[in-house]
Amino acid sequence: AQSVSQHNHHVILSEAASLELGCNYSYGGTVNLFWYVQYPGQHLQLLLKYFSGDPLVKGIKGFEAEFIKSKFSFNLRKPSVQWSDTAEYFCAVRSMYSGGGADGLTFGKGTHLIIQP
Amino acid sequence: DAGITQSPRHKVTETGTPVTLRCHQTENHRYMYWYRQDPGHGLRLIHYSYGVKDTDKGEVSDGYSVSRSKTEDFLLTLESATSSQTSVYFCAIRTDSSTEAFFGQGTRLTVV
Repeated sequence: AQSVSQHNHHVILSEAASLELGCNYSYGGTVNLFWYVQYPGQHLQLLLKYFSGDPLVKGIKGFEAEFIKSKFSFNLRKPSVQWSDTAEYFCAVRSMYSGGGADGLTFGKGTHLIIQP
Repeated sequence: DAGITQSPRHKVTETGTPVTLRCHQTENHRYMYWYRQDPGHGLRLIHYSYGVKDTDKGEVSDGYSVSRSKTEDFLLTLESATSSQTSVYFCAIRTDSSTEAFFGQGTRLTVV
């Protein structure tokens, strides 16, 4: 089964600082990789995804992530964070559970990001 | 919001009682999922469905059952709720043509 590790459980930054959140996954064949964001009291929303092609993917709100296959990593970055980026961030990998073609996402434990004004 | 509605949004129940959570979608997507979210654990897959009456277990299925008698509804049942099942439950769907999942608003369940 897939596993996902997020290295930073809590991160506190000041506005305009640069952000990088680490994510590593265990190998399991072809991977689909995702970053989701959860604002306080809300559901998960997709920030960006990678499934093939250019390993540098750009998402919403100025976020980007780089897939490095040799390192099994998919780190999330943003050059200049804003107070409104305060949220929980989850890295996820698509994994196969059965031959029926269904699959589910395996999530990391999340990173709680706090941006101080 | 991908047309996903979860009900109820909040529920408090007593240990040992049965509880059913409902996930309703309006767009006839084939794949539906139930996750639970707990601090320090992220989201973990409970059960999923790949069609009417086609379901399978996920990572943390013990104590839970599901049913999907119609494309639009995916029900999660706790046959006899325990305090360890206090959690926030999210339903998700995936379209045939997409790789990502779209999530509902969540149900906060407290078992006392």
